[in-house]
Amino acid sequence: DTAVSQTPKYLVTQMGNDKSIKCEQNLGHDTMYWYKQDSKKFLKIMFSYNNKELIINETVPNRFSPKSPDKAHLNLHINSLELGDSAVYFCASSAGLAGARYEQYFGPGTRLTVT
Amino acid sequence: GQNIDQPTEMTATEGAIVQINCTYQTSGFNGLFWYQQHAGEAPTFLSYNVLDGLEEKGRFSSFLSRSKGYSYLLLKELQMKDSASYLCAVRDRNSGGYQKVTFGTGTKLQVIP
Repeated sequence: DTAVSQTPKYLVTQMGNDKSIKCEQNLGHDTMYWYKQDSKKFLKIMFSYNNKELIINETVPNRFSPKSPDKAHLNLHINSLELGDSAVYFCASSAGLAGARYEQYFGPGTRLTVT
Repeated sequence: GQNIDQPTEMTATEGAIVQINCTYQTSGFNGLFWYQQHAGEAPTFLSYNVLDGLEEKGRFSSFLSRSKGYSYLLLKELQMKDSASYLCAVRDRNSGGYQKVTFGTGTKLQVIP
């Protein structure tokens, strides 16, 4: 059973297009995240949701809009794609935020290439 | 904000021991994680420290000193499959009052025969 899944795994698109990435977790976790990993392999938090509430929004351009229809899903929509958006996007989840270990479980990643 | 420093790259020999250091500066510290990431794959959780001292788990151990803002990951009996990036991540409270985990830039470890 896949714990955290993302679709699509690869996404190649042209500048100016709009695209979405979907994420689902079957771990029963309350918290979900989106990360961007650039070519230098730096893993940077973009958004975090806890019980469907947005709690972290890290200076991400408003072309990026997350949406959590329920606790098991966190999707990422990107408008007007730019060359600099090319990266690997990871979804992750954790059982909670603090008070215990609450390690994060990562999805396989979506490699986005903007041409 | 946070400042997390790790060496960019390290090389070690199969069967040997390697120590990967991580230093951080933060307020409201609430835990430090180590993750392993093989090339082209997702990060996977290795260890967690919130109190000072050593946590041992098989061939991997992690140490934390909160007063020094310092942690290390110790890998023993290195195997070729340990070639990967090792990410140090610190949890603290962000300006909005929520817990946030920030990742370091990672240390790429190459294990050679």
